[in-house]
Amino acid sequence: AQSVSQHNHHVILSEAASLELGCNYSYGGTVNLFWYVQYPGQHLQLLLKYFSGDPLVKGIKGFEAEFIKSKFSFNLRKPSVQWSDTAEYFCAVNAFGSSASKIIFGSGTRLSIRP
Amino acid sequence: GAVVSQHPSRVICKSGTSVKIECRSLDFQATTMFWYRQFPKKSLMLMATSNEGSKATYEQGVEKDKFLINHASLTLSTLTVTSAHPEDSSFYICSVRQGGVISYEQYFGPGTRLTVT
Repeated sequence: AQSVSQHNHHVILSEAASLELGCNYSYGGTVNLFWYVQYPGQHLQLLLKYFSGDPLVKGIKGFEAEFIKSKFSFNLRKPSVQWSDTAEYFCAVNAFGSSASKIIFGSGTRLSIRP
Repeated sequence: GAVVSQHPSRVICKSGTSVKIECRSLDFQATTMFWYRQFPKKSLMLMATSNEGSKATYEQGVEKDKFLINHASLTLSTLTVTSAHPEDSSFYICSVRQGGVISYEQYFGPGTRLTVT
């Protein structure tokens, strides 16, 4: 069965620091990959997605992620974080050919930015 | 992306009663919606896939007789928590599937906070 791992449960950074949040998945076939963000008190929003093509995808608010198939990873990056990036970040995967097409979420990483 | 609403945003009910949560796709006809449960400081757990005009597909471990899902139209899916107990207290979130059969995105509603006393 497909699964998603986010190794960082809580990351604390200062403003302007660079960010990288890890995401690994377990599935040997074709996948779609997503990063979602949940700001305090708000609903989940799609940050970026990878379906096919260029493995480096750019999303909203200056975020990007790189799909490395050999490492089963889809890490999220941002060169310079802002206080407004404080939120919960979820990596998600949709694996094709599995029992049903559904998106499975990782456990989430809480990002706290110090002003 | 699709705009999704949920009603109510929060509800408090007594143990043993039933409560219905509505999920509406406001600008998109959704043949498939998903229901998730989110525990505090935890990830989203997929409960079931709601298909318009047919029975929902439940994930392993989710009681279909307790969590009744009805997707009667392309814009509305409902989740009814029957005979609610305090352990059912949680944040319930629905999403709308938009895109192709293989590659698709999900757009989420704002969630419903259920508290069972």
